[in-house]
Amino acid sequence: GAVVSQHPSWVICKSGTSVKIECRSLDFQATTMFWYRQFPKQSLMLMATSNEGSKATYEQGVEKDKFLINHASLTLSTLTVTSAHPEDSSFYICSAREEGAGDTDTQYFGPGTRLTVL
Amino acid sequence: GQNIDQPTEMTATEGAIVQINCTYQTSGFNGLFWYQQHAGEAPTFLSYNVLDGLEEKGRFSSFLSRSKGYSYLLLKELQMKDSASYLCAVMDSNYQLIWGAGTKLIIKP
Repeated sequence: GAVVSQHPSWVICKSGTSVKIECRSLDFQATTMFWYRQFPKQSLMLMATSNEGSKATYEQGVEKDKFLINHASLTLSTLTVTSAHPEDSSFYICSAREEGAGDTDTQYFGPGTRLTVL
Repeated sequence: GQNIDQPTEMTATEGAIVQINCTYQTSGFNGLFWYQQHAGEAPTFLSYNVLDGLEEKGRFSSFLSRSKGYSYLLLKELQMKDSASYLCAVMDSNYQLIWGAGTKLIIKP
């Protein structure tokens, strides 16, 4: 089956620093990738839709200057949390939609990245 | 290796009951999640089980047996709007989510 990886798995950083999270589709091409944030024991919250070669589409309430998304290739999207603060501590999950798949609703999820900002 | 298994597709009749099974093999266990995802939308949270037993929420119930590495999602009084994909995910000892491939549930009148 299709595999999506994320790196790093977890990261601890100081307040004010920037953190970059990578999302890769390992065995398929993904024109569209999604970035989610998950609060403990709660639903995934869609942050933005990342489109290869174009600007990301952000959900209402998500600061685009705070959460920079770059989808430079069909297998890689990055999320950079700029000037991170403790309230940004969360579990960030990406997913990738397989290009050309018969079922266009199929998303493959990454394992997540746990960010802790001190 | 780590593995989550759930059926690819299931079909059920409106008004009936359906059970979607999920078996898992993971390095450690910190809870099991069920999500519902409608076509073109983000997944929505249905349930979280960390202790053995049945959790009931309205028409949806989720069961967990940690010793068997097994969970199921039970949907009662099925409605057409329940047609969706249902995702099982386990949080392992590193607090990483291991995802099942999802079960596409088709509801017929």
